[in-house]
Amino acid sequence: GEDVEQSLFLSVREGDSSVINCTYTDSSSTYLYWYKQEPGAGLQLLTYIFSNMDMKQDQRLTVLLNKKDKHLSLRIADTQTGDSAIYFCAEVDTDKLIFGTGTRLQVFP
Amino acid sequence: EAGVAQSPRYKIIEKRQSVAFWCNPISGHATLYWYQQILGQGPKLLIQFQNNGVVDDSQLPKDRFSAERLKGVDSTLKIQPAKLEDSAVYLCASSLGLAAETQYFGPGTRLLVL
Repeated sequence: GEDVEQSLFLSVREGDSSVINCTYTDSSSTYLYWYKQEPGAGLQLLTYIFSNMDMKQDQRLTVLLNKKDKHLSLRIADTQTGDSAIYFCAEVDTDKLIFGTGTRLQVFP
Repeated sequence: EAGVAQSPRYKIIEKRQSVAFWCNPISGHATLYWYQQILGQGPKLLIQFQNNGVVDDSQLPKDRFSAERLKGVDSTLKIQPAKLEDSAVYLCASSLGLAAETQYFGPGTRLLVL
């Protein structure tokens, strides 16, 4: 079955790096996504990685993909209070997105 | 470029009542999705349209939920009658086409069933 897993909470100090982890199940997923959801808002696409890549960097964001272990991570460098939100990873399964449960990132001063 | 629009933003109803949500996707996007997001969970796909045809409605509780996209642009999602467990955020998303195309989400409609 489909089950994308994430840890529920992460708390970091402002200026530190955050690493949010995700384990997915479908080895045939062509793309893997990271979305951000702020309180009361919809999902904002942050970044995505194609399955034949093992790393992608986009400004403060670094995505690492370990296909062997079906493990995806999102690293946020120099984390700011504005990064506080829920972060969802998602895999593609036959044209539809399967989302994880989300990781709530709290950034404190 | 305008994003995905949804209305209303909030709705409170009593169980057994009916409710409808509206979505206007990004202009030119052929594919439209409705997701249900229960508190503390990730979004779950309810139905997917390609233009005005249904691609996937396998997770839609068809005894009470219905959705249409008659002209291949706007879409409505209806619940009749509502149950307490339907309390959730209903998210609409759109993408250019099918198959791993990037999806863009609207702000959602927060439904509370009392």
